[in-house]
Amino acid sequence: GAGVSQTPSNKVTEKGKYVELRCDPISGHTALYWYRQSLGQGPEFLIYFQGTGAADDSGLPNDRFFAVRPEGSVSTLKIQRTERGDSAVYLCASSLPGQGRNEQFFGPGTRLTVL
Amino acid sequence: QKEVEQDPGPLSVPEGAIVSLNCTYSNSAFQYFMWYRQYSRKGPELLMYTYSSGNKEDGRFTAQVDKSSKYISLFIRDSQPSDSATYLCAMRGGSSNTGKLIFGQGTTLQVKP
Repeated sequence: GAGVSQTPSNKVTEKGKYVELRCDPISGHTALYWYRQSLGQGPEFLIYFQGTGAADDSGLPNDRFFAVRPEGSVSTLKIQRTERGDSAVYLCASSLPGQGRNEQFFGPGTRLTVL
Repeated sequence: QKEVEQDPGPLSVPEGAIVSLNCTYSNSAFQYFMWYRQYSRKGPELLMYTYSSGNKEDGRFTAQVDKSSKYISLFIRDSQPSDSATYLCAMRGGSSNTGKLIFGQGTTLQVKP
């Protein structure tokens, strides 16, 4: 596809459950990012991958959050023991490396609701 | 205090007006400054980015950065109803180790026909 895609578009789960959110970046984009956006707020950085490795995971709020990108393309954000405060839109973005990081292309997001 | 401050609005203007959107920031390490547009229930879309201080123009949009004042602006000329959206400023440092963007809260703009 031409843009960043994310699945599912919506996810409703119960408190304490485990969820996985998937991101397919633009082909050829080696940099991939996850952000979280709460209602009425700007996106908040979670993690940045360059290739397969997490180059910056300083935004992950606690050890319930984990992300992988095993082949340097698709990425999965994993949230264990979900809490109601995890409810938000999870955005994925991708870019070229180096100066390309100034042009991050965002997907439509996954809207997570924890009941 | 947040690193990036942006007035959430909402801002309502008549069609054809000039719109001024602004952000202030506290971290002098920021070197790159972006403006994104976000329609309801969509992902942010990059409008333009600038490096350091100065102006950059793209069609009806002009971005300005004043690093001495830690203040950035986006001007929209001849505003159209299709410009109605939330506008997010974002910025990042010059470190080679991260692509982390710090976003403002976003300003909601409504352009009335």
